[in-house]
Amino acid sequence: DIQMTQSPSTLSASVGDRVTITCRASQSISTWLAWYQQKPGKAPNLLIYKASSLESGVPSRFSGSGSGTEFTLTISSLQPDDFATYYCQQYHTYWTFGQGTRVEIK
Amino acid sequence: QVQLVQSGAEVKKPGASAKVSCKASGYTSTTYDIYWVRQAPGQRLEWMGWINAANGKIKYSQKFQGRVTITRDTSASTASMEVSSLTSEDTAVYYCASSRGHFYGMDVWGQGTTVTVSS
Repeated sequence: DIQMTQSPSTLSASVGDRVTITCRASQSISTWLAWYQQKPGKAPNLLIYKASSLESGVPSRFSGSGSGTEFTLTISSLQPDDFATYYCQQYHTYWTFGQGTRVEIK
Repeated sequence: QVQLVQSGAEVKKPGASAKVSCKASGYTSTTYDIYWVRQAPGQRLEWMGWINAANGKIKYSQKFQGRVTITRDTSASTASMEVSSLTSEDTAVYYCASSRGHFYGMDVWGQGTTVTVSS
């Protein structure tokens, strides 16, 4: 199985900050990576697919990059609605998720 | 607009089975792949199984093989997932999700169904 590891597990930031979350795969997954945002009590919401493609309707302050085994999700200017938990997911070989990164208010 | 609506919360005793349904609207269930994902309290999301819309084949995560059954009723645009031999470790929120194509990841999610296993 392909394992996904995110860092950090928790991130404290302020509105307006630039935020970067890292996701590492246990083996190469090319660009078969997605990012999701999840708020408490809600289903995940797709932000980025194929490592860097922005899902329709998602604000342009979100961006993704990377290939192979290392990937990043960047929020260029953190907004109040962005405080949530973020998950990466590989879909190169079936589907596995990272453990999540909680973005909290500093 | 594509939407997935799941059945309501369930409370089950250990050893019982739980069945969660997922009704699609805004598209036909034979067009989009359907996935089942669960999230135990404080845990990461965990893929359980997948219906390939193109050929109707079903693939299970090795962890759940033999204990989970996924079915599809195309006439009702509904997919279902049944978990048997429940233990307290199966207490979780169960989600269905769909994809407009493998390229896109899981782009539409149901609202989630809480299954609580308690004696």
